[in-house]
Amino acid sequence: SQQGEEDPQALSIQEGENATMNCSYKTSINNLQWYRQNSGRGLVHLILIRSNEREKHSGRLRVTLDTSKKSSSLLITASRAADTASYFCHVTGGFKTIFGAGTRLFVKA
Amino acid sequence: NAGVTQTPKFQVLKTGQSMTLQCAQDMNHEYMSWYRQDPGMGLRLIHYSVGAGITDQGEVPNGYNVSRSTTEDFPLRLLSAAPSQTSVYFCASSGSGDGYTFGSGTRLTVV
Repeated sequence: SQQGEEDPQALSIQEGENATMNCSYKTSINNLQWYRQNSGRGLVHLILIRSNEREKHSGRLRVTLDTSKKSSSLLITASRAADTASYFCHVTGGFKTIFGAGTRLFVKA
Repeated sequence: NAGVTQTPKFQVLKTGQSMTLQCAQDMNHEYMSWYRQDPGMGLRLIHYSVGAGITDQGEVPNGYNVSRSTTEDFPLRLLSAAPSQTSVYFCASSGSGDGYTFGSGTRLTVV
């Protein structure tokens, strides 16, 4: 089974600053996705990057993928208090996929 | 609105009781899955299905059964509830190569 592991476990920043979260995995993948989860709610899909892509942008989100290092990063620019949530990476290379424990982001107003 | 619908949102069971968590999607997705999320942790895969009539076990399948008689529905059955099954349960679906769409979750407490 595939597992993404996020780093750091928790991140606290001021509103307006950038937030960077990392994800590492162990085996080959088809694609990698990032999700956000607000407290007590379901996960919301943010962005998908395929194994043949190196960088992808969506609004204030920037995702990079380095398949040689088996890692990905999610950058949130100009963070807002509403970005406070847990962020998970999800790697897919088959049907049995696992989410890591996530990075808890706190954005202070 | 297109999406994944889970019912119920909350449920309290007594140890030994059985129940079914419902999941339905209207996006014609072939892949559906069930996860449980315990406090401060990621999601663990219970069972998944790649199409009607096809199911398989995930990471933590014991104590749960699933069936997939239609593309739209993927119910999760707890056979004999135990306190260790207290958790938040999420259903998700996905089209080929797409990200997952999650339901809003079922918060289950077993006393």
